Amino acid sequence: QITLKESGPTLVKPTQTLTLTCTFSGFSLSTSGVGVGWIRQPPGKALEWLALIYWDDDKRYSPSLKSRLTITKDTSKNQVVLTMTNMDPVDTATYYCAHNLELGGIFDYWGQGTLVTVSS
Amino acid sequence: QSALTQPASVSGSPGQSITISCTGTSSDVGGYNYVSWYQQHPGKAPKLMIYEVSNRPSGVSNRFSGSKSGNTASLTISGLQAEDEADYYCSSYTSSSSWVFGGGTKLTVL
Repeated sequence: QITLKESGPTLVKPTQTLTLTCTFSGFSLSTSGVGVGWIRQPPGKALEWLALIYWDDDKRYSPSLKSRLTITKDTSKNQVVLTMTNMDPVDTATYYCAHNLELGGIFDYWGQGTLVTVSS
Repeated sequence: QSALTQPASVSGSPGQSITISCTGTSSDVGGYNYVSWYQQHPGKAPKLMIYEVSNRPSGVSNRFSGSKSGNTASLTISGLQAEDEADYYCSSYTSSSSWVFGGGTKLTVL
């Protein structure tokens, strides 16, 4: 049974750096073809893909946010960490992590999401 | 990378069929068969409904089907049920080695 759960601050100030952790179970990020991605959703708005890391440490970033994002993994802890610098109120959103299969490019299991509010 | 274009809303009566379109470019939808569809109920995480244009994951009703023609993908739901009322998002792999989602479509079951 694959599960994922996001954790991190619920409130950050403008210009601060956001660090979110995705802790997962039921799969290994050392298995060929497996990845974990991050997707966010501002309140009442659409999903936006942010970043993804594969089993072989291949990293992908949203072209529009690439300069602000860093994704890393700790295979031994079954965790993936996303950092986003220079937070702004427009970054207020629910942030999801999701299991990804390289073949098919699908996000087939999602965490429950964590709401991050950016406000002074 | 611009979001894929979906209608903001669609509606249908129970038992009817509806189709949601998802229009991209040759750099995403038209260039790859990695189009997925997700269902999202209010306050819940998205759920994968269709992958690789037309494949259904185990457990998803066969009332859901997907197709693609050129730069436009489509999700069809037949035999509409009240529980199908939700937001639907398409997604595609892109030539930038990234993913892009659509703007979402709110499905109302009348």
